[in-house]
Amino acid sequence: DAGITQSPRHKVTETGTPVTLRCHQTENHRYMYWYRQDPGHGLRLIHYSYGVKDTDKGEVSDGYSVSRSKTEDFLLTLESATSSQTSVYFCALGSGTDHQYGYTFGSGTRLTVV
Amino acid sequence: AQTVTQSQPEMSVQEAETVTLSCTYDTSENNYYLFWYKQPPSRQMILVIRQEAYKQQNATENRFSVNFQKAAKSFSLKISDSQLGDTAMYFCAWGTSYGKLTFGQGTILTVHP
Repeated sequence: DAGITQSPRHKVTETGTPVTLRCHQTENHRYMYWYRQDPGHGLRLIHYSYGVKDTDKGEVSDGYSVSRSKTEDFLLTLESATSSQTSVYFCALGSGTDHQYGYTFGSGTRLTVV
Repeated sequence: AQTVTQSQPEMSVQEAETVTLSCTYDTSENNYYLFWYKQPPSRQMILVIRQEAYKQQNATENRFSVNFQKAAKSFSLKISDSQLGDTAMYFCAWGTSYGKLTFGQGTILTVHP
């Protein structure tokens, strides 16, 4: 399968603390995405990147920031974690020459904010 | 904005029977892709089947097939000969060339022995 890994797989953090989730790929893909999954909402886009230092907001970007200083790494930061950010977070790569195969996903990070 | 709607939060089916999951979408685009993803309890997202909007022929992958109705903006998934391993959450998704995917809310499918 595509070389995409997320870390950590699980994390519990306290309200108000900053948290960084990491997505690492070995496929040299230009496009990378961060989604969150919540019951009743499916997957919603937080931020995405179309190249090094090129990022843009998705539909639920408030309270999140991203950075992409290298092609292989896409970091998602919760600046001050809140209970509403308890969720499962997925990183994804565009699959195929023009995304005709959708995405290849990482294994997800379950984040709990207490 | 594009939207994808899955109106069935939960479905159940007996092993070896056939089940159909519904998906509708809203877009003004003419060229796009549609996908069904499976998420078993392991949480991994697995591509089940895909459809290119310019193709009239419905996609088929073994026991999985779709009914793509472009004018009606409908994209349902039919699972034939259901197996216990088909128990999972299923997501419908829409996207364009190099575009972001928009996902539906998901349908939890349970296959009973």
